[in-house]
Amino acid sequence: GEDVEQSLFLSVREGDSSVINCTYTDSSSTYLYWYKQEPGAGLQLLTYIFSNMDMKQDQRLTVLLNKKDKHLSLRIADTQTGDSAIYFCAESHSGGYQKVTFGTGTKLQVIP
Amino acid sequence: KAGVTQTPRYLIKTRGQQVTLSCSPISGHRSVSWYQQTPGQGLQFLFEYFSETQRNKGNFPGRFSGRQFSNSRSEMNVSTLELGDSALYLCASSLTGTNPNYGYTFGSGTRLTVV
Repeated sequence: GEDVEQSLFLSVREGDSSVINCTYTDSSSTYLYWYKQEPGAGLQLLTYIFSNMDMKQDQRLTVLLNKKDKHLSLRIADTQTGDSAIYFCAESHSGGYQKVTFGTGTKLQVIP
Repeated sequence: KAGVTQTPRYLIKTRGQQVTLSCSPISGHRSVSWYQQTPGQGLQFLFEYFSETQRNKGNFPGRFSGRQFSNSRSEMNVSTLELGDSALYLCASSLTGTNPNYGYTFGSGTRLTVV
């Protein structure tokens, strides 16, 4: 079955870059996502990448996908205190109805 | 446009009781999915509805059920509550559900505490 794994915690200094990593097991994954969850809130979609892409950049966010190693990363440039949150990696595949599998989440702490 | 609305935000129930949670998706979105979020298990998929039909179901006992109305609003019900049902229940909507490449829009969740 599908499995998505992330490290639990990351601490960075304000202004540095953050890199959050994720590995997944389902080789048929077609879509990979990054979501952000702030305290007391639901998840907010940050960005997504198709499995036929290697990289996607969106302002301060860069997503890298290594399909061979089933490894996904999210880089946040110039990390701000407002970026402190839990970040979830998720995957789904085409064909069949929507069922997204989420990772365990990485808690990002930004130190001023 | 309005986001995904979940009610109530907080709920405290006693073991053995039942509870109904409500979700109104974004206008025009026809797919509604439900997830249970707990510190130990993370986000677990409950079920997905489209046009009043349940199309996909996760590995939860039959005490967890749901439905969707003709206006796409969805409810989920948990009967005979157990302490382990304490969680944040998240509802997510998407346009069709069959092309998830655009991702979900989540509500803020209902925090259920079973005592």
